Amino acid sequence: GQSLEQPSEVTAVEGAIVQINCTYQTSGFYGLSWYQQHDGGAPTFLSYNALDGLEETGRFSSFLSRSDSYGYLLLQELQMKDSASYFCAVRDGGYSTLTFGKGTMLLVSP
Amino acid sequence: KAGVTQTPRYLIKTRGQQVTLSCSPISGHRSVSWYQQTPGQGLQFLFEYFSETQRNKGNFPGRFSGRQFSNSRSEMNVSTLELGDSALYLCASSLAGNEQFFGPGTRLTVL
Repeated sequence: GQSLEQPSEVTAVEGAIVQINCTYQTSGFYGLSWYQQHDGGAPTFLSYNALDGLEETGRFSSFLSRSDSYGYLLLQELQMKDSASYFCAVRDGGYSTLTFGKGTMLLVSP
Repeated sequence: KAGVTQTPRYLIKTRGQQVTLSCSPISGHRSVSWYQQTPGQGLQFLFEYFSETQRNKGNFPGRFSGRQFSNSRSEMNVSTLELGDSALYLCASSLAGNEQFFGPGTRLTVL
């Protein structure tokens, strides 16, 4: 079956760097996405990696190693507003369907 | 450009009833996916529609169904509601598949 593993909770302080790991086991693989969800809000897209390597978007970077079935989201210069849940998701078919991990709650303290 | 809208935002039903949720995708997006989000199970895929056809279906019982109209608006229906159906139901639309745009969700409570 399909499964994605990510830590349930991560804590950090403002200004720090945090890495959220994701390992996956899926029958097919088209790419790894990351979504952010604030409490009570809708998930919003952060990044997508289809090929191995690092993708950088401002303070956020995402990495993928397809041979290791592993990826991570790196958040730099943490701000209080980064406190949210972060989900990795695999697009495992040619369609738009995503299989999500259970999410990592990031708590940023002053 | 308007985002994905979902109606209603909140719904309270009792066991055995049925419910219909609506989703209007971003203009031009033909793919609409539905997800169920619960604290214990996270986000679970229900089904995906593209040009009025169901392209993919998750592992949910037949009580969960959906459809898409010619204007890409989508509805999902849950019949014979159970307590365990209480969840946030999220709709997402997509243009190219790599990025999904989520609506605010419908919070369903089954009593």
